[in-house]
Amino acid sequence: EAQVTQNPRYLITVTGKKLTVTCSQNMNHEYMSWYRQDPGLGLRQIYYSMNVEVTDKGDVPEGYKVSRKEKRNFPLILESPSPNQTSLYFCASSSGTSGIMETQYFGPGTRLLVL
Amino acid sequence: DQQVKQNSPSLSVQEGRISILNCDYTNSMFDYFLWYKKYPAEGPTFLISISSIKDKNEDGRFTVFLNKSAKHLSLHIVPSQPGDSAVYFCAVGGGADGLTFGKGTHLIIQP
Repeated sequence: EAQVTQNPRYLITVTGKKLTVTCSQNMNHEYMSWYRQDPGLGLRQIYYSMNVEVTDKGDVPEGYKVSRKEKRNFPLILESPSPNQTSLYFCASSSGTSGIMETQYFGPGTRLLVL
Repeated sequence: DQQVKQNSPSLSVQEGRISILNCDYTNSMFDYFLWYKKYPAEGPTFLISISSIKDKNEDGRFTVFLNKSAKHLSLHIVPSQPGDSAVYFCAVGGGADGLTFGKGTHLIIQP
């Protein structure tokens, strides 16, 4: 089954404790992206990747890091989480090098609470 | 400054009637437009898209209209069904950058 998976689905952590949210897709997609969803703000892009070893900042990259060492995985790293990073996070992927021209498939979401 | 605006946070429509969701954008360089649907506790799922060379795209009960001169797109659902109750996001993009999403409209279909 074609899908985007994220882990963990739910995470409670404390300020400053490094964490990683994993994202994996099995569709051989080149384009992958991370979004956060906050009440009243919709979906905002954090980082995206057009291909392996190619990553770019989205609209709200501060406080986040990503890596794309292999095509299927695109982990989101919070080196020193803060309470304002409490949010619902979605990973997405799509085929083709012009990612936005293709339908993006979203993962189920990771709900993060930073205390 | 919001590049993509969905001015109605929520919309209530009676079952069987037409639901019309609206989206306005500011950048005339956007050339690809999509609608996503999101149920609680799930990721957004693609619904329908339209490119800038068209002004209408239809898929079953869903039709997207694009008015480039007004920088406006809309999603029509007819007839509306209870399963259509969800949050709908419009998304726009152009070039190699990612998508920019609106804040979403919560559609409630009443029996």
